[in-house]
Amino acid sequence: DIQMTQSPSTLSASVGDRVTITCRASQSISSWLAWYQQKPGKAPKLLIYKASSLESGVPSRFSGSGSGTEFTLTISSLQPDDFATYYCQQYNSYPLTFGQGTKVEIK
Amino acid sequence: EVQLVESGGGLVQPGGSLRLSCAASGFTFSDHYMDWVRQAPGKGLEWVGRTRNKANSYTTEYAASVKGRFTISRDDSKNSLYLQMNSLKTEDTAVYYCARVERLQYYFDYWGQGTLVTVSS
Repeated sequence: DIQMTQSPSTLSASVGDRVTITCRASQSISSWLAWYQQKPGKAPKLLIYKASSLESGVPSRFSGSGSGTEFTLTISSLQPDDFATYYCQQYNSYPLTFGQGTKVEIK
Repeated sequence: EVQLVESGGGLVQPGGSLRLSCAASGFTFSDHYMDWVRQAPGKGLEWVGRTRNKANSYTTEYAASVKGRFTISRDDSKNSLYLQMNSLKTEDTAVYYCARVERLQYYFDYWGQGTLVTVSS
């Protein structure tokens, strides 16, 4: 199974900050990586697919990069609506696997 | 508008069974693979399994943790996805989400709101 490891697990930041979350795969997944945002009591929402493609309707302050085993999600200027938990997910091979999540908290 | 609505969750004793449903609307259900993903209370997301579409013979994939106990099926005539859960364990307690798989690249592009399954005596 491909293990997905996110860092940090928790991140404290202020509105307007630039935020970067890292996701590492235990083996190469090419660019078959998605990022999701989840708020408490809600379903996850797709932000980024194929490592760097922005889902329609998602604000342009979100961006993704990377390939192989190292990936990042960047929020260029954190907004109040962005405080949430973020998950990476590989869809290169079965079983599909998620990172453990990164909670972005208000500083 | 794409909508996925899960139902069928509830309280069940260990060793019991439960069947979840996911009603889909707003898209051509039969074209898409469909998955189940779960989230234990306070924990992260865990993929449960997948059913492919008719063009791919409705074949299925499962996580090791549920293989042999859970069965995913679909009824394209009813635009519905199902998860039959047998021999339930306390560790199966979670919110269960159905998710649509994007047709060409296979990520999850839409999710339902989830249904809670609690396995407890």
